[in-house]
This record gives sequence, C-alpha cells and structure tokens, in this order.
Amino acid sequence: ETGVTQSPTHLIKTRGQQVTLRCSSQSGHNTVSWYQQALGQGPQFIFQYYREEENGRGNFPPRFSGLQFPNYSSELNVNALELDDSALYLCASSQPTGLFNEQFFGPGTRLTVL
Amino acid sequence: RKEVEQDPGPFNVPEGATVAFNCTYSNSASQSFFWYRQDCRKEPKLLMSVYSSGNEDGRFTAQLNRASQYISLLIRDSKLSDSATYLCVVNLANTGNQFYFGTGTSLTVIP
Repeated sequence: ETGVTQSPTHLIKTRGQQVTLRCSSQSGHNTVSWYQQALGQGPQFIFQYYREEENGRGNFPPRFSGLQFPNYSSELNVNALELDDSALYLCASSQPTGLFNEQFFGPGTRLTVL
Repeated sequence: RKEVEQDPGPFNVPEGATVAFNCTYSNSASQSFFWYRQDCRKEPKLLMSVYSSGNEDGRFTAQLNRASQYISLLIRDSKLSDSATYLCVVNLANTGNQFYFGTGTSLTVIP
C-alpha cells in the first residue's frame, strides 16, 4: 500500500450540489496532486499543492478548488456539480527531490452525480 | 492534440507471450517518464520509471526514444496476473510536477 488515503470511498450527489473530497498524503510527502478519471480514460490533472500553495493547475473551471493543510493533507472542493463530474477522483502524493518525482496514488473517491 | 497518446488495445495474449506497448508524447520539453499499472476499479500503481538509457526490471523493459518522442514497455513471459491497463505518463519540465497520462492500454493474458 502507498500510505495515501482518501475519503469517502463513494459518494452520490445531485446536480447543483457541492462536494468535498479529502486526501492524506504519504508520510514525508509535501506535495499532493488531484486527478479526475472518467470511465475509459486516463487520469486528468486538476491541480497540485506544494507546501500549502497551489503549484500548477490543469484545464478545469474555477468551481474546482482545493487547499492543503500544514500536515500536507488536502481537500478538493467542487461546486455546482454537473453530470459530467461523475468520475473517480484520485489524489497522489510525492516528495519532489529530483528528476524522477514519482507520484503515489490513493484508492480514489468514486463520485456519482445524478 | 493530446499530450500523450497510446493505443487503447485491447491486447489479448496467451500466457508466456511477449507483448509490447508504445506511447508517444507531443511536448519535446517532457522531462521524466513513467509506466503505471491500473487494475479494474483500482488506483494507478507505479510500475517503473523510464530512464534515458532504458531500464529493465525482471520481465519488464522500458525504453525511451527522445528523438522520436516515444516510450515503450516490453513484457516478457506474460503471466495471468499481468492483466491490467498500462498507463504511459510524462512530466513536463517547469510544470510543477504535473503528470500527463495516456488513456491506457488494456492487456488481458489468456490461459
């Protein structure tokens, strides 16, 4: 196991609602990245947090927001949910130390928007 | 154009076969490269990093061709447990460690 945990494991929401997903990074890792994986697709980068600051963002609208806490755990918030937001949300932790900054993934949160 | 492109497959091979996956990337500034494995309804797990000189880990060999901008993964002596989706991943320089994933290549090893 990677030591990266996410909660909840599954979630069902309706259109227009808001959701908060949580991630605890691996011990010693100060960087958390969030990804959205739709069925049959590869993970798509949402954003990354490094030492509590956003450190890169993918092509997602502002209703996707996040934060990182002093213990390096992180939250992903999505407002005004849309049907297309239904996906597996993955967080990955890493400790940038050089060229190969491998990322280690949590088990994901499966979000269904009805 | 997608940053990373892979043949989605599926690849169905018998046990013991050798299978190769290729992946191309569009940005020549890509800095580091990885193969991840993802089992059905599970999270991606790091299979191997891909070094410029190529690298081998048991039955798995990864190669990088920067001139042609492609990465390959070779699996020898396929096992039933190798059945999974294999994701090609690149990381661009100066993007804050942002990973770009391919759509994945599905492999099924048949008894």
